[in-house]
Amino acid sequence: QKEVEQNSGPLSVPEGAIASLNCTYSDRGSQSFFWYRQYSGKSPELIMFIYSNGDKEDGRFTAQLNKASQYVSLLIRDSQPSDSATYLCASLPGSGGSNYKLTFGKGTLLTVNP
Amino acid sequence: AAGVIQSPRHLIKEKRETATLKCYPIPRHDTVYWYQQGPGQDPQFLISFYEKMQSDKGSIPDRFSAQQFSDYHSELNMSSLELGDSALYFCASSLSGRTLEQFFGPGTRLTVL
Repeated sequence: QKEVEQNSGPLSVPEGAIASLNCTYSDRGSQSFFWYRQYSGKSPELIMFIYSNGDKEDGRFTAQLNKASQYVSLLIRDSQPSDSATYLCASLPGSGGSNYKLTFGKGTLLTVNP
Repeated sequence: AAGVIQSPRHLIKEKRETATLKCYPIPRHDTVYWYQQGPGQDPQFLISFYEKMQSDKGSIPDRFSAQQFSDYHSELNMSSLELGDSALYFCASSLSGRTLEQFFGPGTRLTVL
C-alpha cells in the first residue's frame, strides 16, 4: 500500500463545474500536505499546502484536511480547460529522519471539458 | 521571479555511460532535493541537501551520487547507466525555516539507449 493514495481517474468535469480531488494517507505522523499540478512532461507546480484540520482557501482552490480520517481533498471551483492536468497529492512526515522528503500519490488526471 | 534552473534539459546516453545533472536553486534557497519520475509514475525522492550536507536519502541507487556546493547548486552524478534510469529528474529547492514549500525546476529528461 502506498503511503499516499489517490484515485488515478481520469476525472472529467464540464467547464465551470466544481472538481473534487481526493487523497488518503497511511502515516498518522504526517503533518503537512501538498497539492501539486503537473502538466504532461512538465514539472510539478505547487498549488497549496495545508497542515491544520479544516479548510484553506486560495482563489478558486480549497484544500481540506481531516487528520482523524487521514483524508485530504482539493476542490477547484469554476473549473477551466486550463486546469486539465494531473494533480499530485503529497505528504511530509512530521518527525523522524525523513523530515524533508515529499511522498507523492500517483496523481489524478483531471480533464475539464469546454 | 527567479526559479530553479536545471541543466541540461535533455540528455541522451548509452548504457554504462555516466551523466551529470546540475541544479541551481532559487536565490537564497539553501536546501535542494532530487526526485526521479519514471513514465506514468509519481516523483520518487532520491536525496536532499541542506547547507551542503546530505540531509535525507531515499531510493537512490548506489550508482548515483550527489553533492551541494558552496554556492548551493547541486549536481547529481549517475554512473553505469541502465535503461531503467530513463526518466525525468527534478530538482526542487526550499528556504530553511520554510521547508513546507518546495519549488520544482523544469527537470532533465534522461534517455538511456
